[in-house]
Amino acid sequence: EAQVTQNPRYLITVTGKKLTVTCSQNMNHEYMSWYRQDPGLGLRQIYYSMNVEVTDKGDVPEGYKVSRKEKRNFPLILESPSPNQTSLYFCASSLDGQVSYGYTFGSGTRLTVV
Amino acid sequence: SQQGEEDPQALSIQEGENATMNCSYKTSINNLQWYRQNSGRGLVHLILIRSNEREKHSGRLRVTLDTSKKSSSLLITASRAADTASYFCATDRWDGGSQGNLIFGKGTKLSVKP
Repeated sequence: EAQVTQNPRYLITVTGKKLTVTCSQNMNHEYMSWYRQDPGLGLRQIYYSMNVEVTDKGDVPEGYKVSRKEKRNFPLILESPSPNQTSLYFCASSLDGQVSYGYTFGSGTRLTVV
Repeated sequence: SQQGEEDPQALSIQEGENATMNCSYKTSINNLQWYRQNSGRGLVHLILIRSNEREKHSGRLRVTLDTSKKSSSLLITASRAADTASYFCATDRWDGGSQGNLIFGKGTKLSVKP
């Protein structure tokens, strides 16, 4: 089944403890992206990647890192999480970066930083 | 930064009625997409309409696009309780000649009562 898989689904962590949210897609998509969703603010893009080793900042990149060493994986790294990063995170992928196709989303990761 | 804005923010209807949601955007686009999100879950791509198209159908969904007014509408006919979800429009954004990205509005929350 074609899908984007995020792990974990839920995560509670403490301020300052580094964490990684994994994202993997099995559709050979070139484009991948991370979003966060907060009440009243909608979906905001954190980082995106056009292809392997090509990443760029979205609208809210502060406090996050990403890497794209392989086409299928696009992990989101929080080096020193803070409470304002408590949010619902989504990874998405698309065939290319031309926005000619719909995005496929993962099921989401609900992160709580205490 | 937000491109699309949905209207209304919330909509409550009875099963069997039609539901219409609107989206307005600010800049020129190549295409506009609609997504559905069930509570706390990942977004699901519904339909993509290109800037040179005026109307598109998919099952019970009908999408229109008016580029002169920078607006789109999503019509769900003969609604069902299972249509209860949030609906988002998304448009591509081209940043100074770089590749495009998809940015989302804040969504319309649709409630269909049995």
